[in-house]
Amino acid sequence: AQSVSQHNHHVILSEAASLELGCNYSYGGTVNLFWYVQYPGQHLQLLLKYFSGDPLVKGIKGFEAEFIKSKFSFNLRKPSVQWSDTAEYFCAVRAGTASKLTFGTGTRLQVTL
Amino acid sequence: DGGITQSPKYLFRKEGQNVTLSCEQNLNHDAMYWYRQDPGQGLRLIYYSQIVNDFQKGDIAEGYSVSREKKESFPLTVTSAQKNPTAFYLCASRGLAGGPGELFFGEGSRLTVL
Repeated sequence: AQSVSQHNHHVILSEAASLELGCNYSYGGTVNLFWYVQYPGQHLQLLLKYFSGDPLVKGIKGFEAEFIKSKFSFNLRKPSVQWSDTAEYFCAVRAGTASKLTFGTGTRLQVTL
Repeated sequence: DGGITQSPKYLFRKEGQNVTLSCEQNLNHDAMYWYRQDPGQGLRLIYYSQIVNDFQKGDIAEGYSVSREKKESFPLTVTSAQKNPTAFYLCASRGLAGGPGELFFGEGSRLTVL
């Protein structure tokens, strides 16, 4: 069964700092990869997704992620965070043609002014 | 507006009682999912359904039951057999036509067992 690891549980950054959140998965075959965000009091929203093609994926609000197959990684990046990026971020993977999505444990990002 | 509606948003229950959480979608999606969210544990899959009248257990199905009598509805019952039911429950759906797609989530139901 596939699994997803997010090693950063809680990250605190100042505004304008650069962000990189790690995500590693364990599955040797074809994968679909996702990053979701949960702002305080709001429902989970899709930030970006990778299905195939260009491994560098751009999402909403200036976020991007790079799929590195050899490292089984899909790290999320943003060059300059804003206070409004304070939220919890979840990485998720779908293995092959499976219907279910497996989520990581999440990373809580706190951006200070 | 198209979306997923979960109700109730907040629910309190006494130990030993069953409770049913509602999930309705008007996105015409084939697949529906129930996840449980606990602090520090992310989202864990309880049950999912790809078509009407069929569903599969997820990773933590014990103490839960579901039904899928209509395409747009996927209610979750938290039974008295669930040992630690206090949690935030999320319903999601996904269209299956056209290949892989992302999950769309409802706003969640927070269950507290007193």
